[in-house]
Amino acid sequence: DQQVKQNSPSLSVQEGRISILNCDYTNSMFDYFLWYKKYPAEGPTFLISISSIKDKNEDGRFTVFLNKSAKHLSLHIVPSQPGDSAVYFCAASRNYGQNFVFGPGTRLSVLP
Amino acid sequence: DSGVTQTPKHLITATGQRVTLRCSPRSGDLSVYWYQQSLDQGLQFLIQYYNGEERAKGNILERFSAQQFPDLHSELNLSSLELGDSALYFCASSVGAGGVDNEQFFGPGTRLTVL
Repeated sequence: DQQVKQNSPSLSVQEGRISILNCDYTNSMFDYFLWYKKYPAEGPTFLISISSIKDKNEDGRFTVFLNKSAKHLSLHIVPSQPGDSAVYFCAASRNYGQNFVFGPGTRLSVLP
Repeated sequence: DSGVTQTPKHLITATGQRVTLRCSPRSGDLSVYWYQQSLDQGLQFLIQYYNGEERAKGNILERFSAQQFPDLHSELNLSSLELGDSALYFCASSVGAGGVDNEQFFGPGTRLTVL
């Protein structure tokens, strides 16, 4: 039973355009959400987070939106750059940051 | 470079064997987390230690155990290995035990292959 779902295994976007990565969750008790980026042969690196008291958090080119009623969050990357090509994991937790549940990841390819 | 080191990088062993994976957290981090990533799966949280004590437990099998030593490095022991245990095992560390802004920094992982 996957509590965190990323239904698109892969996504291709043209350089300079917007990348939108989606994540759905089933557990309404989740109150803290993160996005991680992973390059091949490296561990995941933290990108951006959002707590359930907010519906948007922005950090440079990266914005995360949270829709609690739909149990959906999305990561927007604007403008997309070739260096953004990686696997992106969505993660969720209860109690603000323990026992993270990760999604299966979405592979983003930004084409020059 | 996250500052988290994991050894070995690759490990190939046979079914029924036992292996130990090692993790050194970033300097100053008190928490260590272990995750398993099987093929096409997300990262599965296994266990967390904070300052030497078990803090949280996830989907860790009884054949697996972990500990955190006084110098804060951690070891994950996998025994009676099965083919399905083949995976990438990641260690992460953070300053605190949890909570907002307690960012986890991941090591490069250990790839375990069970033949």
